[in-house]
Amino acid sequence: TQLLEQSPQFLSIQEGENLTVYCNSSSVFSSLQWYRQEPGEGPVLLVTVVTGGEVKKLKRLTFQFGDARKDSSLHITAAQPGDTGLYLCAGATTSGTYKYIFGTGTRLKVLA
Amino acid sequence: EAEVAQSPRYKITEKSQAVAFWCDPISGHATLYWYRQILGQGPELLVQFQDESVVDDSQLPKDRFSAERLKGVDSTLKIQPAELGDSAMYLCASSLLGAGYEAFFGQGTRLTVV
Repeated sequence: TQLLEQSPQFLSIQEGENLTVYCNSSSVFSSLQWYRQEPGEGPVLLVTVVTGGEVKKLKRLTFQFGDARKDSSLHITAAQPGDTGLYLCAGATTSGTYKYIFGTGTRLKVLA
Repeated sequence: EAEVAQSPRYKITEKSQAVAFWCDPISGHATLYWYRQILGQGPELLVQFQDESVVDDSQLPKDRFSAERLKGVDSTLKIQPAELGDSAMYLCASSLLGAGYEAFFGQGTRLTVV
């Protein structure tokens, strides 16, 4: 059962545009990760956020963890074709044994 | 750079046959995860190990799936018998022990059941 909803599910934009992907849950997470996955490959870790309200930047990508640690966003500035891929958020839960719950995914296509 | 190794990369099998996947986690990572991912969706956890012990297999279809990590290092996931609906990407990931440590993934095994 997926506890993390991502929006939008699909996004097709032109090179140079900005975009934001959202990851929402009713659960509180001890940390949240963002991954990017290309077809036929495993997810590659982009960033981990731990503290409520935390903002991290990775070149043109900005990640924010919600104050209540239930949601997160990924903002890409001036998207490039190389940003194309499936973006996944994953929350680490500690109810019982800790584990990572993955979001539903956002498929991004950046057109040249 | 340390990586999670998985094999095979691709597997085609006929339904009702047995199939097995292997994973070697990053050295020192006590936690190992097996996920199943349907094309275009997020991964779903099948089983989680801490060292050699299973800590979560609530989503593992135990009538046909089994997983082991006998020495607390590498792991094998088996399906017997395979069904058409098992076609998916099977991902292995590992992490250090404790919440807040990131999970690192292997390249996955793409299974096609015909």
